[in-house]
Amino acid sequence: QKEVEQDPGPLSVPEGAIVSLNCTYSNSAFQYFMWYRQYSRKGPELLMYTYSSGNKEDGRFTAQVDKSSKYISLFIRDSQPSDSATYLCAMGGGNQFYFGTGTSLTVIP
Amino acid sequence: ETGVTQTPRHLVMGMTNKKSLKCEQHLGHNAMYWYKQSAKKPLELMFVYNFKEQTENNSVPSRFSPECPNSSHLFLHLHTLQPEDSALYLCASSQDKGLAPHQYFGPGTRLTVL
Repeated sequence: QKEVEQDPGPLSVPEGAIVSLNCTYSNSAFQYFMWYRQYSRKGPELLMYTYSSGNKEDGRFTAQVDKSSKYISLFIRDSQPSDSATYLCAMGGGNQFYFGTGTSLTVIP
Repeated sequence: ETGVTQTPRHLVMGMTNKKSLKCEQHLGHNAMYWYKQSAKKPLELMFVYNFKEQTENNSVPSRFSPECPNSSHLFLHLHTLQPEDSALYLCASSQDKGLAPHQYFGPGTRLTVL
């Protein structure tokens, strides 16, 4: 069983749509949870991170963590063509650190 | 130069060659990382250095040899690689010691092994 499961997509949505990206995990030792965004021919960049269950909002982005279900989500409101990228979840704790496979998102104008 | 830089950006090598990848961080960070990114696979953490000392080595084959001469520079020496080693190799750095949540990545070196 993989430490982190993420649907690779690809996901294609029209501009203005709400996007939901998800990851599940199996390791209860994970304590912090991140979403990275990776544009084509670039390295990943940190988008959001949180240490606790619940929601964290930053502009059009909301990160949600449910530790009881071992499930994390990233919501993008009013999606823009500039949001087209691969989104990677990542999580760590207990001296471990894992990324998901990434979900490829295309926002169509 | 700003952020994390990597050279070369592209590298093609034969299985018998020896080459090195270079990473430099201009952020004053204390930890540096090497990752391997292959298609349809998660980023694989290869090595972590805290203050120039290696703290993680995730069962990486000995044909990959890291070197961290100071806290700003990181190298990955390659020799007798296999075609399955073809991938994007990413370097990252963090202010906090290894396995920190906020890592800054370079653009990567696209390696092709013939």
